[in-house]
Amino acid sequence: KAGVTQTPRYLIKTRGQQVTLSCSPISGHRSVSWYQQTPGQGLQFLFEYFSETQRNKGNFPGRFSGRQFSNSRSEMNVSTLELGDSALYLCASSLTATGNTIYFGEGSWLTVV
Amino acid sequence: EDQVTQSPEALRLQEGESSSLNCSYTVSGLRGLFWYRQDPGKGPEFLFTLYSAGEEKEKERLKATLTKKESFLHITAPKPEDSATYLCAVIETSGSRLTFGEGTQLTVNP
Repeated sequence: KAGVTQTPRYLIKTRGQQVTLSCSPISGHRSVSWYQQTPGQGLQFLFEYFSETQRNKGNFPGRFSGRQFSNSRSEMNVSTLELGDSALYLCASSLTATGNTIYFGEGSWLTVV
Repeated sequence: EDQVTQSPEALRLQEGESSSLNCSYTVSGLRGLFWYRQDPGKGPEFLFTLYSAGEEKEKERLKATLTKKESFLHITAPKPEDSATYLCAVIETSGSRLTFGEGTQLTVNP
């Protein structure tokens, strides 16, 4: 059974650009969440989607957005990149919105220069 | 606001030397407490979910326990391959977001 798949794994962007990261959840999982991991802040919640609806959003500026498609795949977008956006972006999936087994992907490493 | 504090920040053990990692939490109502293992450059690997005080779960050399205010991850006779960062997180009853602690970086020397 395939795990949570995130693409791309590594990318380098320039300040001011935008980036789109993709996540394919485990087959059958309908809830997808996104987290940002940095050495200074640890793992911080970005947002959560279930059945194409955003159910919850973390304390991040509006430059961070996301969406979920009918096949449960999800994308997150960061516009007008800043140096501080350099981080590991992690996607997690669970069977339902209240699922208590939450699996993470390997993440997308974003470096902003 | 949910809070999770893990201690110690770093732990160095000799192979075979058992120890425990601590996770203290504050949450209005606990839906679940999660333990993950994270290797450098990789995503967190799910280990356990605990739901109520008194619950215990085991996996190989790891055993997780839960009280009303904290959780312990006991590592029995660790091996070098157990070296990793161990993360604790909670979800409150009415929520859907994981609130993580800063993690404990475990190093097991052969």
